[in-house]
Amino acid sequence: LAKTTQPISMDSYEGQEVNITCSHNNIATNDYITWYQQFPSQGPRFIIQGYKTKVTNEVASLFIPADRKSSTLSLPRVSLSDTAVYYCLVGVVDSGNTPLVFGKGTRLSVIA
Amino acid sequence: GAGVSQSPSNKVTEKGKDVELRCDPISGHTALYWYRQRLGQGLEFLIYFQGNSAPDKSGLPSDRFSAERTGESVSTLTIQRTQQEDSAVYLCASSLSERSYNEQFFGPGTRLTVL
Repeated sequence: LAKTTQPISMDSYEGQEVNITCSHNNIATNDYITWYQQFPSQGPRFIIQGYKTKVTNEVASLFIPADRKSSTLSLPRVSLSDTAVYYCLVGVVDSGNTPLVFGKGTRLSVIA
Repeated sequence: GAGVSQSPSNKVTEKGKDVELRCDPISGHTALYWYRQRLGQGLEFLIYFQGNSAPDKSGLPSDRFSAERTGESVSTLTIQRTQQEDSAVYLCASSLSERSYNEQFFGPGTRLTVL
């Protein structure tokens, strides 16, 4: 599985857009990029997944450049409830489910 | 529908005792995973069950750790002769095997404290 690197922590004020970038220089052709969110005392929750270009859902957007060696999770207009740890994962997505490899993630603190 | 549930939510035990942690996956999910998360750390994969296939035990840290799953339902993670370094949150997740992307649904975890 490709190794990922992301900032340990970030701070933001409420209402701002937050962009968390993840580096994955060794991403393979079949790898997808997936982001999970973990609130304190809860298990992680799937946020978004993509392969290339841009993916958007009701929670976030995921930007992936053409070389796919990095990706950026964009959270629009964050609120205090977005305070959480965000994990970037890279791996093959196929019909055979495989365990996810979680790093330490990025701890986002949203300040009023 | 109901999500993944785990019990107990908290477990305090003495060093050397055995503990059993339970996971009830989402109904219909054939894949089930156990992870361990130490304080301030990411998740460590422990073991993975997929339908009736032999489980992937490659993440189990020692032979004190074992897990079973009854069909495609409940799973139990057992830690024998607990050590203080076993203190962590143990997370269970399940997913649909036929999905083309492996979105995993996590339970709230069991916080294990070994004194």
